[in-house]
Amino acid sequence: DQQVKQNSPSLSVQEGRISILNCDYTNSMFDYFLWYKKYPAEGPTFLISISSIKDKNEDGRFTVFLNKSAKHLSLHIVPSQPGDSAVYFCAASAISGGGADGLTFGKGTHLIIQP
Amino acid sequence: DAGVIQSPRHEVTEMGQEVTLRCKPISGHNSLFWYRQTMMRGLELLIYFNNNVPIDDSGMPEDRFSAKMPNASFSTLKIQPSEPRDSAVYFCASSRTNEKLFFGSGTQLSVL
Repeated sequence: DQQVKQNSPSLSVQEGRISILNCDYTNSMFDYFLWYKKYPAEGPTFLISISSIKDKNEDGRFTVFLNKSAKHLSLHIVPSQPGDSAVYFCAASAISGGGADGLTFGKGTHLIIQP
Repeated sequence: DAGVIQSPRHEVTEMGQEVTLRCKPISGHNSLFWYRQTMMRGLELLIYFNNNVPIDDSGMPEDRFSAKMPNASFSTLKIQPSEPRDSAVYFCASSRTNEKLFFGSGTQLSVL
């Protein structure tokens, strides 16, 4: 039973446009959410996170939005760049602060930025 | 810091053979995690250790899988005997307790 769902296995976006990656969760105990980015032949690296007390967190070109009532979060990348092509994993934690020992990951979305 | 170091990067073996994957966590991190990535299931947590003690091994698929952490700077994940369905990328990750997770580059395992 997938508690964190990324329903789009892949997404193709033109360079310069906005990329929107979506994530849904089922466990109402989750209160901290993270996005990890993974390049081929490398391990995932932390990108951005959000606590359940917020509905938006921004870091440069990356913004994460959280809709608790819908149990939905999204990652926006504006503008998209070729180096953003990677697999993006959504993760959720029931531990305050997003403790690593409580993380549940989605299956990932492969983002392809086309020139 | 060198980051989380995993070896080997690639492992090709035949069904029935023993496979041992190795991990050196980041110095100072007291939590260590083994994950498996497949297309079907994404990133699955297999087991995690805190202060060298296994805390949760509920993700270990079968008795064929075992993991050890004899000291704070080394861990192994062993599969014996290996089967083709074990083919996946295995990641080791480490963190300080309740802090961000740092991943190694992974071991690509192919069991023929």
